[in-house]
Amino acid sequence: EPEVTQTPSHQVTQMGQEVILRCVPISNHLYFYWYRQILGQKVEFLVSFYNNEISEKSEIFDDQFSVERPDGSNFTLKIRSTKLEDSAMYFCASSLFGSTNEKLFFGSGTQLSVL
Amino acid sequence: SQQGEEDPQALSIQEGENATMNCSYKTSINNLQWYRQNSGRGLVHLILIRSNEREKHSGRLRVTLDTSKKSSSLLITASRAADTASYFCAPLGSNYQLIWGAGTKLIIKP
Repeated sequence: EPEVTQTPSHQVTQMGQEVILRCVPISNHLYFYWYRQILGQKVEFLVSFYNNEISEKSEIFDDQFSVERPDGSNFTLKIRSTKLEDSAMYFCASSLFGSTNEKLFFGSGTQLSVL
Repeated sequence: SQQGEEDPQALSIQEGENATMNCSYKTSINNLQWYRQNSGRGLVHLILIRSNEREKHSGRLRVTLDTSKKSSSLLITASRAADTASYFCAPLGSNYQLIWGAGTKLIIKP
């Protein structure tokens, strides 16, 4: 079965540094998402992306966050100036049509640790 | 909040027994999805039940949905050690976003 791949699997950074988390969605999918999960807590929606623009974003997705699809295959999440509370597992997901009765395919996540 | 709330938070059973996990939510939904997460890994889609469906089966999984009670259940029959994982329900709300609960941690004892 096709997979969503995320790199790196672990990222350690200093507070205030910029990080870029990378994702390669399934090739024919059109809708892309970022979620995060703080250790032991709920999965939280960050942003959805379609047709090269953000379609939805949550309150968490403030000006420190941005997403980009730079080359037609990668989908990136950038955090400009990381905070301690950004430490979490970040999941990328994609879906074919973004329809209401469609499942999401998730990557294995990037564990971000901000020191 | 529209989030799904799983119950129980943790469940430990013997291999071969059935495991039942419940989910409640607060507002109208388009569908409800169940996902599994093995420790430290990504989320794997298990099953999707539409708002006009009452029951759905997939292998050893059986999902029910009661929209009048805003609740769903996931039954895993004849559990195996490999079923040990966290299970999340994710209702798809009116804003077309999946809203996640904290999950049920299922442990299958050999």
